[in-house]
Amino acid sequence: ETGVTQTPRHLVMGMTNKKSLKCEQHLGHNAMYWYKQSAKKPLELMFVYNFKEQTENNSVPSRFSPECPNSSHLFLHLHTLQPEDSALYLCASSPKLGETQYFGPGTRLLVL
Amino acid sequence: QQQVKQSPQSLIVQKGGISIINCAYENTAFDYFPWYQQFPGKGPALLIAIRPDVSEKKEGRFTISFNKSAKQFSLHIMDSQPGDSATYFCAASEKGFQKLVFGTGTRLLVSP
Repeated sequence: ETGVTQTPRHLVMGMTNKKSLKCEQHLGHNAMYWYKQSAKKPLELMFVYNFKEQTENNSVPSRFSPECPNSSHLFLHLHTLQPEDSALYLCASSPKLGETQYFGPGTRLLVL
Repeated sequence: QQQVKQSPQSLIVQKGGISIINCAYENTAFDYFPWYQQFPGKGPALLIAIRPDVSEKKEGRFTISFNKSAKQFSLHIMDSQPGDSATYFCAASEKGFQKLVFGTGTRLLVSP
């Protein structure tokens, strides 16, 4: 297992719920990323943080709200999601931007 | 321009055979080409990577072949084993660029 952990591993939520995904890295990395992985589609980069500052928002709907309180923790706050948002959400980190990314195990999200 | 096209979508190989997965890109500014391996329930893990200054890189049973003029690169798994059964993703990025662009993945099954 990598030094990137994600909780919860599985989440089922209704469209009106509010939930948060958590990512923690124990690798001393400075950059963190959120990806969405849907079946038969490429991994989609959602957000990038570098030294706690957001450097990339890849046209993600506002119902997804990231938060990076420090270089080790990354959250993805979810609000009024749609069924098509059901996917595996992966967190990754890298020592610096552009360097090798290390992925967590993901959170499998189902929106009903 | 930013796409990475990966084929085949799925692959079945006999134990001991050679598995070959191909990727093609358009953006000539790409200069880092990693391959990731993902097992069910896990996040992608870096397997092997190449930069365009070499045409081949080998690590154990895994080899990347790179053809800069054709803008193609491929992963070869020699002496494929059942434990290699996983989904493989190629990716590409520009120097200093934080974004990895992923292929759609190849699901490999190595039959005993």
